[in-house]
Amino acid sequence: GAVVSQHPSWVICKSGTSVKIECRSLDFQATTMFWYRQFPKQSLMLMATSNEGSKATYEQGVEKDKFLINHASLTLSTLTVTSAHPEDSSFYICSARDWGDSSGANVLTFGAGSRLTVL
Amino acid sequence: QKEVEQNSGPLSVPEGAIASLNCTYSDRVSQSFFWYRQYSGKSPELIMSIYSNGDKEDGRFTAQLNKASQYVSLLIRDSQPSDSATYLCAVINAGNMLTFGGGTRLMVKP
Repeated sequence: GAVVSQHPSWVICKSGTSVKIECRSLDFQATTMFWYRQFPKQSLMLMATSNEGSKATYEQGVEKDKFLINHASLTLSTLTVTSAHPEDSSFYICSARDWGDSSGANVLTFGAGSRLTVL
Repeated sequence: QKEVEQNSGPLSVPEGAIASLNCTYSDRVSQSFFWYRQYSGKSPELIMSIYSNGDKEDGRFTAQLNKASQYVSLLIRDSQPSDSATYLCAVINAGNMLTFGGGTRLMVKP
């Protein structure tokens, strides 16, 4: 099945620094990837849809200048949390669909997630 | 009305019992439905997908879909403590976007 790799798994940073999270599709090409955020004991919230070779589409209320998304290749999307603050501390999860897998059509595969703690 | 609704729980069942998780959705033209399991601190993992009305069984799991009632459920037979997790219902809507419900927390007590 499709595998999505996410790195780093954990990151702790000081307030005001920027943090980059990578999301890779290991055995398939993903023209579209999705970035979610999840606060403790809350549901997944879609932040943005990352489109290869074009600008990301952000959900309402998500600051595009705060959460920079780059999808420069068919297997890699990055999320950069700029000037992170404690309220940005959360679990960030990326996902992608393997459209080439007919047996798993429309199935969304998730990366393992990245837990960000901003001090 | 939320697009995908689930009871947040917690749903508590004794070990060995059947756990029944329910989900309703608002978009009548939705065609693809998924159940994901999420352990605390982990990302979601796919358990079942279902596309046609009726039941689909996979081991201890059975997904049930009723498009007329806009209802999808997940039954877990012989529940184990290791099944304790949050179960997320997800639906692909007319815009081809996957929308998640808020999740139901299941607790299986030994």
